Amino acid sequence: AAGVIQSPRHLIKEKRETATLKCYPIPRHDTVYWYQQGPGQDPQFLISFYEKMQSDKGSIPDRFSAQQFSDYHSELNMSSLELGDSALYFCASSFSGLGYNEQFFGPGTRLTVL
Amino acid sequence: AQKVTQAQTEISVVEKEDVTLDCVYETRDTTYYLFWYKQPPSGELVFLIRRNSFDEQNEISGRYSWNFQKSTSSFNFTITASQVVDSAVYFCALSEARDYGQNFVFGPGTRLSVLP
Repeated sequence: AAGVIQSPRHLIKEKRETATLKCYPIPRHDTVYWYQQGPGQDPQFLISFYEKMQSDKGSIPDRFSAQQFSDYHSELNMSSLELGDSALYFCASSFSGLGYNEQFFGPGTRLTVL
Repeated sequence: AQKVTQAQTEISVVEKEDVTLDCVYETRDTTYYLFWYKQPPSGELVFLIRRNSFDEQNEISGRYSWNFQKSTSSFNFTITASQVVDSAVYFCALSEARDYGQNFVFGPGTRLSVLP
């Protein structure tokens, strides 16, 4: 079965650079979530989109922005990168028609900021 | 506000021992979902179980079992006859029951080390 796809899987950037992470949800899933997991931390919710509209917002820095496109894939744009942005970034997707919230997580993108 | 507590930061057991990972949650909602995820050293989040707040039946899946007690707001996870491959960080998570877009709140995780 198709799973959530994230690209790239690994990314190395310098401070103050920009990074774009991509997420391709499971086909027919209409909701996408982004989470940030720092070293030794639990995943922290950043933002979610339902039917291409932002549905919820967590602890996402102002330097980050995200959107969901017409084909339901999502991109997380991160500017003015800081050392503290080094983390594992997970994307998850779900289908609202299930009647319960079951999120399928992608493999994550490991971002390292030098 | 929702909150998930996993009081055990790290647990070490010897192979074949049983181990229980504790999870206590807080929510004002009457309908919600609880989850357990496993995160092996490779980093991916592996789904283990989902339980909704109306279903307090305990569940067993192979060597894994879960004990959901609404009265104490706990959703504990037991691994029977642990194996080295069970070594991972285990997260308990909580989600409100909403139509869409409801994020997960994760606990801090418990790092389980199973020694040979």
